[in-house]
Amino acid sequence: GEDVEQSLFLSVREGDSSVINCTYTDSSSTYLYWYKQEPGAGLQLLTYIFSNMDMKQDQRLTVLLNKKDKHLSLRIADTQTGDSAIYFCAEGDPSGSARQLTFGSGTQLTVLP
Amino acid sequence: ETGVTQTPRHLVMGMTNKKSLKCEQHLGHNAMYWYKQSAKKPLELMFVYSLEERVENNSVPSRFSPECPNSSHLFLHLHTLQPEDSALYLCASQGVGPRGEQFFGPGTRLTVL
Repeated sequence: GEDVEQSLFLSVREGDSSVINCTYTDSSSTYLYWYKQEPGAGLQLLTYIFSNMDMKQDQRLTVLLNKKDKHLSLRIADTQTGDSAIYFCAEGDPSGSARQLTFGSGTQLTVLP
Repeated sequence: ETGVTQTPRHLVMGMTNKKSLKCEQHLGHNAMYWYKQSAKKPLELMFVYSLEERVENNSVPSRFSPECPNSSHLFLHLHTLQPEDSALYLCASQGVGPRGEQFFGPGTRLTVL
């Protein structure tokens, strides 16, 4: 079945850039997503990229997609302590009959002062 | 606040108890989901309801029983659970837009003694 993999932990200094990486296996995915989960909360959509794009920028967030290698990354510029959270990569085809997304294990980002 | 609410937020139950988790959304979405989140594991999709019909049951044990009485409400009925069922149970909903964004509730933290 489909698989989405991420490293479990990342630590960065405040003000540095963070890069969170993700690999996926389903080449038919039409959308790829980054969700953020803060302590005690559910997942919240941060950004997404359509599969025919290779880059998307949204303020401090840059998403890069290498469809050939099935590799997705999220870069957070000028990382702040408020960015500390778990970041989930997800892929799917929302128009499919089951309307499912496949999520990774999440990367715990810790921002050090 | 994402528009998806879950109650209770925390639940402790014995293995012989019967309890229910409730999820509610008033976003006008027509698909709802139950996920199980365990530490350091990918988010596990349990059930998908689309237009109040169950479209996916991901090999979930029968001690978990979902119910979707209408498009705004989703329940997860629990009975004779095991300690390994302790986890965060997340509800999500999805609208009909092409982006397929899922909106998550804050989850119910379940502990089975």
